[in-house]
Amino acid sequence: AQKITQTQPGMFVQEKEAVTLDCTYDTSDPSYGLFWYKQPSSGEMIFLIYQGSYDQQNATEGRYSLNFQKARKSANLVISASQLGDSAMYFCAMREGGGGTSYGKLTFGQGTILTVHP
Amino acid sequence: GAGVSQTPSNKVTEKGKYVELRCDPISGHTALYWYRQSLGQGPEFLIYFQGTGAADDSGLPNDRFFAVRPEGSVSTLKIQRTERGDSAVYLCASSDLAGGTGELFFGEGSRLTVL
Repeated sequence: AQKITQTQPGMFVQEKEAVTLDCTYDTSDPSYGLFWYKQPSSGEMIFLIYQGSYDQQNATEGRYSLNFQKARKSANLVISASQLGDSAMYFCAMREGGGGTSYGKLTFGQGTILTVHP
Repeated sequence: GAGVSQTPSNKVTEKGKYVELRCDPISGHTALYWYRQSLGQGPEFLIYFQGTGAADDSGLPNDRFFAVRPEGSVSTLKIQRTERGDSAVYLCASSDLAGGTGELFFGEGSRLTVL
């Protein structure tokens, strides 16, 4: 079974509108972390936001927020007030375990290409 | 610069040749990771170094792949007898295990093309 599923190959949004990128995950480990990364055409992966499995509140970082629904195993990324520079590939990723050797061992989804229209 | 640096940015080689890809992590980051990203896919974990030692190499696809980090800073990913299926972008990342979320800081990758 896929550990990280991103069902939207591509998404389009109008500039200044909000957009939600979907991510569902599968793990039996009670301790895990969820990440979102942005990959522009330059290829570099840029960290956006993190949610720990024990965090009580949804993570927010500026225009990014993570809609964490633990029972449904979903961790959707919400981008508010989209900008043209947000056009990129977005990856959801999971780290299983609380740390140690699993610390940076992430499992990535297949990504969603976001296009922001002016 | 202060980020993760990878060289070469592009490498074209012939099937059967030997290739080395280099990664210079963020200064002070003790943890270093290699990932491989095939076209249209998310990155896949290859190997993780804590200091000089490989703490987890479970993602290396076979024994043609090897990585070293002799002084706990720069790392080299080595691929022997390259095959066309090795064509991908090889991403290096580093992290500071001292605190925070442990997010990975990635380089821009080395694009390997095996003809």
